[in-house]
Amino acid sequence: GQSLEQPSEVTAVEGAIVQINCTYQTSGFYGLSWYQQHDGGAPTFLSYNGLDGLEETGRFSSFLSRSDSYGYLLLQELQMKDSASYFCAVRGAYSGTYKYIFGTGTRLKVLA
Amino acid sequence: NAGVTQTPKFQVLKTGQSMTLQCAQDMNHNSMYWYRQDPGMGLRLIYYSASEGTTDKGEVPNGYNVSRLNKREFSLRLESAAPSQTSVYFCASSPGDGLSSGYGYTFGSGTRLTVV
Repeated sequence: GQSLEQPSEVTAVEGAIVQINCTYQTSGFYGLSWYQQHDGGAPTFLSYNGLDGLEETGRFSSFLSRSDSYGYLLLQELQMKDSASYFCAVRGAYSGTYKYIFGTGTRLKVLA
Repeated sequence: NAGVTQTPKFQVLKTGQSMTLQCAQDMNHNSMYWYRQDPGMGLRLIYYSASEGTTDKGEVPNGYNVSRLNKREFSLRLESAAPSQTSVYFCASSPGDGLSSGYGYTFGSGTRLTVV
């Protein structure tokens, strides 16, 4: 079966660095993505890792280790606007196509 | 603005009523999806359409039907609404769903549905 695990909640202060972990179990593996969702809003795409290593996009970085079935999202120089839920999503092979399964999300609270 | 448009944004139904949620994208994407989001459950895939003319079941298809009307539009129908279908429904699209695709999904703003 397929499953993803990520912490339910993380709290950090403005200006700090926070890491949100994601471990997964899936039928085949074709990529890990991260999404941000503010309360009442739609998920928005942040990053994609298809191969092992670190991908950097501004203050956000995402890491993947396929051998460990593990990835993380790193947020640097935290700002109040980063308070949101963050979802990891793993792309696996299901019924002959390749689709994402989403985790249950990590709620990030940034304190002043 | 380019993106995914969902209608309606809010809806209240009585048990047993039917309704169709509409979704349209103007990014020329091949693949479209319907997800539901419940508290503590993340996003769960209801149905998807890998390309125009094809649809397939996701994780939680029971009680729903879909139609890929053309490349732009993908609708979700509740034939006989039940309180368990109270949720936030998101439509999403992506350029493709093949192996080489590292594209993210673009989501609509959601439909908040309450079944009483």
